[in-house]
Amino acid sequence: EVQVVESGGGLVQPGGSLRLSCTASGFTFSNSWMSWVRQAPGKGLEWVATIKQDGSETFHVDSVKGRFTISRDDAKNSLYLQMNSLRVEDTAIYYCATDTMTNWGQGTPVAVSS
Amino acid sequence: QAGLTQPPSVSKDLRQTATLTCTGNFNNVGNQGAVWLQQHRGHPPKLLSYRNNNRPSGISERFSASTSGSTASLTITGLQPEDEADYYCSAWDTILRAWLFGGGTRLTVL
Repeated sequence: EVQVVESGGGLVQPGGSLRLSCTASGFTFSNSWMSWVRQAPGKGLEWVATIKQDGSETFHVDSVKGRFTISRDDAKNSLYLQMNSLRVEDTAIYYCATDTMTNWGQGTPVAVSS
Repeated sequence: QAGLTQPPSVSKDLRQTATLTCTGNFNNVGNQGAVWLQQHRGHPPKLLSYRNNNRPSGISERFSASTSGSTASLTITGLQPEDEADYYCSAWDTILRAWLFGGGTRLTVL
């Protein structure tokens, strides 16, 4: 059974940093593109970042470029999102998703507030 | 990045058929096809259909997807109360090199 579990969310002040983690099991992680998707309170889904299966390429939505970085550690079956210079508008539940949005975790909440 | 276009809401009677639409362009829906996700309030999204309109195991046959040009559609037959949820489409854009999402359609089963 495919499982993805996010962690690392929390409350942070504007300008602060957080590192989200996603641990995967039940499939060959190293063969899978992986993505982060977020959902602000009461809003729709917004793609944040994607990383190719070998980590050779990463893609980020314009609003987080230069602030967020997606990475992976295939030895640990883990995906990460380093979030710096956080803004109030980054407040959302952050989901980890496999491949073509096939499997999703429960999400980890991030709140940016002073 | 621009998103895909979905109607904000659709209402249908119990046991009727609902068809939800998702419009993009040749670089995304028209090229790669769309995935469809269902999200009940307070829960994570769940995949209903992936590329080439395939249905994952465990998803009811009442859900079927299709694509015509740059418009993807999700048809739900025999509507049940548990089908009331938000439905999102998404597609990879080969030019923007980004996943695009629709704004979501809230389906109400009357």
